[in-house]
Amino acid sequence: EIVLTQSPATLSLSPGERATLSCRASQSVSSYLAWYQQKPGQAPRLLIYDASNRATGIPARFSGSGSGTDFTLTISSLEPEDFAVYYCQQRANWPPFTFGPGTKVDIK
Amino acid sequence: QVQLVESGGGVVQPGRSLRLSCAASGFTFSNYGMHWVRQAPGKGLEWVAVIWYDGSHKYYADSVKGRFTISRDNSKNTLHLQMNSLRDEDTAVYYCARDHLPSATAYFDPWGQGTLVTVSS
Repeated sequence: EIVLTQSPATLSLSPGERATLSCRASQSVSSYLAWYQQKPGQAPRLLIYDASNRATGIPARFSGSGSGTDFTLTISSLEPEDFAVYYCQQRANWPPFTFGPGTKVDIK
Repeated sequence: QVQLVESGGGVVQPGRSLRLSCAASGFTFSNYGMHWVRQAPGKGLEWVAVIWYDGSHKYYADSVKGRFTISRDNSKNTLHLQMNSLRDEDTAVYYCARDHLPSATAYFDPWGQGTLVTVSS
């Protein structure tokens, strides 16, 4: 089973700042990695798939990069609605599909 | 628009059964693989099961294998999860989610709003 680790666990930033979130896989997942956003009381939403492709309707301030075992989600300038928990997920080797433990982006 | 609506959650005693349903609309249901993903209170996301677009293949997480059964009715645009021998650790919000792409098992998009299952005596 591929284990995903995310860092940091919590990121405290102000609106307008740049957010950089990391996801590391226990073995190579090539580019088969996605990022999701989850707000309190809501279902997750797909942001990025195949490491760097934005899903439909996702603003350009969200970008993904990486391949192999190291991946990054960048939010170029935080908007108030971006404060949430972010999860990475791999589809390279399944079952099971696995998620990282999440990074919470909160307001500083 | 694409919509997934789960139902069937509730409080159930350990060892008992529960059946969840997910009603799909706004897309050609029979073209997409479907998943169940769960989230224990205050915890992260755990993938539970997937069923192929035509029901021909099913896969499960080890934590539910042999106890849960995923199924679908393409004539009714409905996904099900039969949960037997429920345990305390099955307590979670259960989400149904569609495969991102038709006829491909990849990522989860969109998701339903979730239904809460509480296993407690």
